[in-house]
Amino acid sequence: SQTIHQWPATLVQPVGSPLSLECTVEGTSNPNLYWYRQAAGRGLQLLFYSVGIGQISSEVPQNLSASRPQDRQFILSSKKLLLSDSGFYLCAWWTQGSRGYTFGSGTRLTVV
Amino acid sequence: QQQVKQSPQSLIVQKGGISIINCAYENTAFDYFPWYQQFPGKGPALLIAIRPDVSEKKEGRFTISFNKSAKQFSLHIMDSQPGDSATYFCAASINGGSQGNLIFGKGTKLSVKP
Repeated sequence: SQTIHQWPATLVQPVGSPLSLECTVEGTSNPNLYWYRQAAGRGLQLLFYSVGIGQISSEVPQNLSASRPQDRQFILSSKKLLLSDSGFYLCAWWTQGSRGYTFGSGTRLTVV
Repeated sequence: QQQVKQSPQSLIVQKGGISIINCAYENTAFDYFPWYQQFPGKGPALLIAIRPDVSEKKEGRFTISFNKSAKQFSLHIMDSQPGDSATYFCAASINGGSQGNLIFGKGTKLSVKP
């Protein structure tokens, strides 16, 4: 079966600390992968997307970066977190069959 | 031009009532319009989607109405239930949604009162 895993579920980090969020997909190959951020009570902001290993497109200039070291692995990183990086981070995989995103369960990041 | 404008921001409906959420777009290249449902603490899930070659699509209590000339589409939830309480997002894409890259509206928080 096709599944998407995202961890951790919750993270509290001090300002200036590094960040690494991981997303993996099972049951498919060469997926289009996405990182979204959802601020409290707001919509979904596309941060990065990737159509293949090593291929990253950035939608918003920011304090974050993304990498895709393996076909089914997508990583969101930061060298130094800011308070404004707090939010709900969602990894998504474009499912061609249903023509829709399958979202991970999300990571609630609080920068303190 | 890449925006999808969604309204209202929040909506309160009595159980059994009809919930209506509206979206509008400017980019005439958009040709795929899905709706997502998100429960608190969870990722959004695809609810229903429509292509512009049809004016309406119904799945159970959920109906999308599409007005190509007005560049508007809406979600109707008939016989709304407390379990429908969630945030709903409309979205749009080009190329029939074959490549992802959805543009999302800002969401509508629906509360259905028992």
